[in-house]
Amino acid sequence: KAGVTQTPRYLIKTRGQQVTLSCSPISGHRSVSWYQQTPGQGLQFLFEYFSETQRNKGNFPGRFSGRQFSNSRSEMNVSTLELGDSALYLCASTSGLLGTQYFGPGTRLLVL
Amino acid sequence: AQSVAQPEDQVNVAEGNPLTVKCTYSVSGNPYLFWYVQYPNRGLQFLLKYITGDNLVKGSYGFEAEFNKSQTSFHLKKPSALVSDSALYFCAVRDSGRDSNYQLIWGAGTKLIIKP
Repeated sequence: KAGVTQTPRYLIKTRGQQVTLSCSPISGHRSVSWYQQTPGQGLQFLFEYFSETQRNKGNFPGRFSGRQFSNSRSEMNVSTLELGDSALYLCASTSGLLGTQYFGPGTRLLVL
Repeated sequence: AQSVAQPEDQVNVAEGNPLTVKCTYSVSGNPYLFWYVQYPNRGLQFLLKYITGDNLVKGSYGFEAEFNKSQTSFHLKKPSALVSDSALYFCAVRDSGRDSNYQLIWGAGTKLIIKP
C-alpha cells in the first residue's frame, strides 16, 4: 500500500498570502489529522477529519481551516500568512477512530 | 483531562548501553499508547503500540515498551543502543473510553542522543 502523501513538500510564501496544503491518506483510511511542528512548540494538533466531518480541533486561529473530500483526501488552508506560520505541517491518516496514525513526510512552509 | 508527559527533553546514552525514554500518561478510560520516532527533516514513523494484553510490547528496530497501569507509564526501551537510534521520540495516548473524543494526545518529545 502506498503511504500518506503530502504536496507540495516545500513552499515559500510572503506575509499576507494564503496557502493550501494537500494530503492523500493511505487507501482505505477515513481519518486525516493535521499537525504543525516548530522547533520551539513541538507537535501541535490542528484538526482531525473523519468521513468529511471535522471531529476535533486544536487551539489555532480561524486563519487555519481544513476540509476532507469524499475520497478521504484532505486539504488545509492558511489565510493571511504570518512569519510565525513557518513550520513543518504534517498529515497523518488512520483507518478508524482508535487506530494507529501513519504520517506523511510533511510540507515545510517558509513565510518571508 | 487527558495528558502525556515526557519528563526528559534529552537523553544521552553511550552506544551499546541500554536506553530508556520515559512516558507517563493520564486518561479517564483505558489507554491506547503509542511511540513514534522522527529523524531529522522527516515525518513521524510508528514504532509500537499498546492496546491490550501483554504489558511488554515489541516494535520496530529492536525497541520495546512496557505498560505499567499502576504507575500510568509506558517507557520505551532498547537493550543495546545504536548511533542510528539518535532521533526525536514521541509518546502519544488515546483514551478509548466511551465518553472520549478519541483524540490522540502527544508528549513534547524526547531527543535521544547515542554517542559512539
